[in-house]
Amino acid sequence: DQQVKQNSPSLSVQEGRISILNCDYTNSMFDYFLWYKKYPAEGPTFLISISSIKDKNEDGRFTVFLNKSAKHLSLHIVPSQPGDSAVYFCAASEGTEYGNKLVFGAGTILRVKS
Amino acid sequence: EPEVTQTPSHQVTQMGQEVILRCVPISNHLYFYWYRQILGQKVEFLVSFYNNEISEKSEIFDDQFSVERPDGSNFTLKIRSTKLEDSAMYFCASRGTGTHEQYFGPGTRLTVT
Repeated sequence: DQQVKQNSPSLSVQEGRISILNCDYTNSMFDYFLWYKKYPAEGPTFLISISSIKDKNEDGRFTVFLNKSAKHLSLHIVPSQPGDSAVYFCAASEGTEYGNKLVFGAGTILRVKS
Repeated sequence: EPEVTQTPSHQVTQMGQEVILRCVPISNHLYFYWYRQILGQKVEFLVSFYNNEISEKSEIFDDQFSVERPDGSNFTLKIRSTKLEDSAMYFCASRGTGTHEQYFGPGTRLTVT
């Protein structure tokens, strides 16, 4: 089941620069997308989300872009900080009234070098 | 800030034994979930629960698994007869009404020997 794909297993970025994490999906029924950050031995922490009716959502240093026609979304972190080093998961959901299960990508390990 | 809690943080059990993983969701949330992550693999959906019943379950969630909300605060996942392949991190999550964001607990590491 490869409905959500994160093709880059890892990304290394210098402190202060932009980090761009990418995610592709195949299920056109997905209508909500979320990014989670995960440290080792902890649960995923919600970062930012976007509805399929939007193409951009911004929250502080984090911006998510959605390109529905390409079935692609990206997370931009500007400026990147060493504390941003973690695994980042893209997740998607179909808008069902009771379910709303999340389908996760495999994750991208982000390393921010100081 | 409200958070999802899970106990125990680590459970070691022998194959064939029953385990119960416990979760306390965020207090005003009504939608509850269990996910698991086998080492090196994706986070996978197991089951969703709303209004005291299962709303959706995955193929993984077979007859060996059950969920329960025994009181107003706890949400449990029971595995009746554990197998080696059940070894994984199990995450509980909850969601508020009218939102899509699910909030995850810290996880229980289940090791089946």
